[in-house]
Order: sequence, then structure tokens, then C-alpha cells
Amino acid sequence: EIVLTQSPGTLSLSPGERATLSCRASQSVSSSYLVWYQQKLGRAPRLLIYGASSRATGIPDRFSGSGSGTDFTLTISRLEPEDFAVYYCQQYGSSLTFGGGTKVEIK
Amino acid sequence: EVQLVESGGGLSQSGGSLRLSCTASGLTVSSNYMSWVRHTPGKGLEWVSVIYSGGSTYYADSVKGRFTISRDISKNTLYLQMNSLRAEDTAVCYCARFVGHCVSSSCYGYFDLWGRGTLVTVSS
Repeated sequence: EIVLTQSPGTLSLSPGERATLSCRASQSVSSSYLVWYQQKLGRAPRLLIYGASSRATGIPDRFSGSGSGTDFTLTISRLEPEDFAVYYCQQYGSSLTFGGGTKVEIK
Repeated sequence: EVQLVESGGGLSQSGGSLRLSCTASGLTVSSNYMSWVRHTPGKGLEWVSVIYSGGSTYYADSVKGRFTISRDISKNTLYLQMNSLRAEDTAVCYCARFVGHCVSSSCYGYFDLWGRGTLVTVSS
């Protein structure tokens, strides 16, 4: 089973700042089969990125995904107030597993 | 607007049963691959079960033989029958549309539409 480790656990930033979230896999994720989700408290998770770097429908271009192999990154170029949430990565190259999440909170 | 709304969560004793429902609007359950995903305190997020549009079903090893996924076409509703519940089944359970495929006890894909979830608590 591929274990995904997300860091940092919590990211404290101000609106307008850049957020960089990391997702590291215990083994190489084949064909960059990695996605990112956003979840706000009490809300449904939302698909942001699939295939490591493709934005899902309706996702603003301030969200971008990159990486391959074992290291993946979600970048939010300029944080908007609605971006403060928990973010999860998930791989689907070898069955499917989720990371533990990164909380992006207001500083 | 496409929406998935879960219900049926609650408190159960260990060994008990619960049935979760997921009512869809703006989406036809029987025409999509649908799934249940849960978020447990111990393991975090994990997929539980998938049902294909053709009716094939798949389960994670942790729930195989205890949980059953099904759907009612007339009600456009997805279900998860949870039997022989254990304390480790305590979780927020989400209904989600699945994009991918499954082989035996493994699924390869992701979830592009989710509900808000329903809380299942199993007391020992």
C-alpha cells in the first residue's frame, strides 16, 4: 500500500499570500495518478486537481498542482478568504489511498 | 445543481446494524459509478465500496462480508447496509461519484463529486 504523507500539518497564512502544500508518497505513483481535494468544515469535499496537474471543472487558476514520482505539490498562488480549509491528496496508481491532510488556517 | 445528500447515520452498539442512504439530485445514480468513502479517527480517509452502473460491486477488505452497497433506481438513491459493526467503523461516511475502475478488493480512481457526509458512531 502506498502511504501518502502530507506536510505541513497546519499552514498559517494571511489572505493574499502563497500557499505551498506537499504530498510525499512512500513509493512512486504511476502515471502521476494523484488528486487533491479541498474540504471546508461541515461541507462536502471538492475535487481540485486530478492527474497531478489538471484542474477540475470550475476550479480557479490560482490552484495548481505539480510533481511526479513520489513528490507532489499543491500551490495556491494568492489565498482568498474562501481557500482556508483542509486539503487532502489521494493516489490511484496502486489501489487508492489518501494523505492525512493539511489545514490552511488564517494567520 | 448536482447534489448528494447522505442520511441514516447515528449511534449503534458493537455488533449492530445501520443503513445509510444517499439521495442524488441532478445526477442519475444508476448511470454512474457510485461509492462510499469514510473518514475514521484512526485511519483517516478510506474507500469502502463501489457499485458500477452495471451493478458490479466491490468492497474494501475491512468491510467485506459485513457491508452491502446497493441502489434503488426508482428513488435515485444509493445505500450502504452496515452489519456486524465494530468500534473501528466509527466514521463520517460520504457518498461520492467514482471515476475509475476496480479489480477484486482494489479500486483505482478518484471521486469527483461528494456529499457532506453522515456520522456513524459505534459504541463498544
